[in-house]
Amino acid sequence: DAKTTQPTSMDCAEGRAANLPCNHSTISGNEYVYWYRQIHSQGPQYIIHGLKNNETNEMASLIITEDRKSSTLILPHATLRDTAVYYCIVGPARRSWGKLQFGAGTQVVVTP
Amino acid sequence: NAGVTQTPKFQVLKTGQSMTLQCAQDMNHEYMSWYRQDPGMGLRLIHYSVGAGITDQGEVPNGYNVSRSTTEDFPLRLLSAAPSQTSVYFCASRQNTGELFFGEGSRLTVL
Repeated sequence: DAKTTQPTSMDCAEGRAANLPCNHSTISGNEYVYWYRQIHSQGPQYIIHGLKNNETNEMASLIITEDRKSSTLILPHATLRDTAVYYCIVGPARRSWGKLQFGAGTQVVVTP
Repeated sequence: NAGVTQTPKFQVLKTGQSMTLQCAQDMNHEYMSWYRQDPGMGLRLIHYSVGAGITDQGEVPNGYNVSRSTTEDFPLRLLSAAPSQTSVYFCASRQNTGELFFGEGSRLTVL
């Protein structure tokens, strides 16, 4: 399974866009990029995922580079409630279940 | 919807005791998994299951047993608890489009 590399921490001002990078240079052609976040000690929450194309939902946007070796999660207007640890992981294709492994993630702190 | 339900939420054990962490989901997901999270660290996969009767090991399986007799339930057993197993345990199920749904966690302390 591919591994990911994320910055340990980053700060963001409330109301501004937060851009969270992730490197996954060994990603396989059939592996998706998933983003989750964990607020305090709660269970992680799914944010978004994608394969090749950029994706957007009500929570965030996901930009995947053309070579698929890196991606960026964009929180368009960060709020204090977005303070959390954000995990970027890569996982098997939909019908090829296997191990979905998390790294240490990025601690994002949104400040007023 | 209940989603993924874990019990108990808190447990204190003595070294050598055994216990079972329960996990149930009502979303008819085939895939279920157990993670542990130690302070300041990410989640590490213990065991996972791709359907009833099928289980496999994750990154840190030693000291833990699982079984999957039904689609809904995926219990995690500690046969002889050790202080190194003090952690927060999360159960998750996964729908066909890939997203994981997590329970609220079970906080285990082994003295």
